[in-house]
Amino acid sequence: EAQVTQNPRYLITVTGKKLTVTCSQNMNHEYMSWYRQDPGLGLRQIYYSMNVEVTDKGDVPEGYKVSRKEKRNFPLILESPSPNQTSLYFCASSLTGFLNQPQHFGDGTRLSIL
Amino acid sequence: QKEVEQNSGPLSVPEGAIASLNCTYSDRGSQSFFWYRQYSGKSPELIMFIYSNGDKEDGRFTAQLNKASQYVSLLIRDSQPSDSATYLCAVTFPPSGNTPLVFGKGTRLSVIA
Repeated sequence: EAQVTQNPRYLITVTGKKLTVTCSQNMNHEYMSWYRQDPGLGLRQIYYSMNVEVTDKGDVPEGYKVSRKEKRNFPLILESPSPNQTSLYFCASSLTGFLNQPQHFGDGTRLSIL
Repeated sequence: QKEVEQNSGPLSVPEGAIASLNCTYSDRGSQSFFWYRQYSGKSPELIMFIYSNGDKEDGRFTAQLNKASQYVSLLIRDSQPSDSATYLCAVTFPPSGNTPLVFGKGTRLSVIA
């Protein structure tokens, strides 16, 4: 089954404790992206990757890191999480990064930073 | 400034009626337009995409695009209670080669049985 898989689905942690949210897709998609969704602010892009070893900032990259060493994986790293990073996070992928490709979303990761 | 505007709602329609959801965007050069449905606590799910002016129909859903007026709409015919969700409009902005896909904040639709 074609899917985008995120782990963990839920996480409660404390300020400053490094964490990684994994994202994996099995569709051989070139393009992958991370979003956060907050009430009243909608979905905002954090980082995206057009292909292996190619990443770039989205609209809200501060406090996050990403890497793309393999085509299928695109982990989101919070080196020193803070309470303002409490949010619902979605990973998405599409066949390519060209403008007309619809994105497929993972099930989301709800992070709470205390 | 990349902006995608949607009325937050809630938009309430009776079961069986037509629901009309609207979206405006800020850049005349935008080329690709998507509608996603998102149930509470779930991930966005693609409903339709449209690239050319005019109407595109898929089952009970019709997307309408007017690039001159910079708006895109989604019509849901014969609305069902299961259509109750938040509908996200997403638009790509130039320059090409990079994403960027910008989402509106969504319109909450409530279909009343």
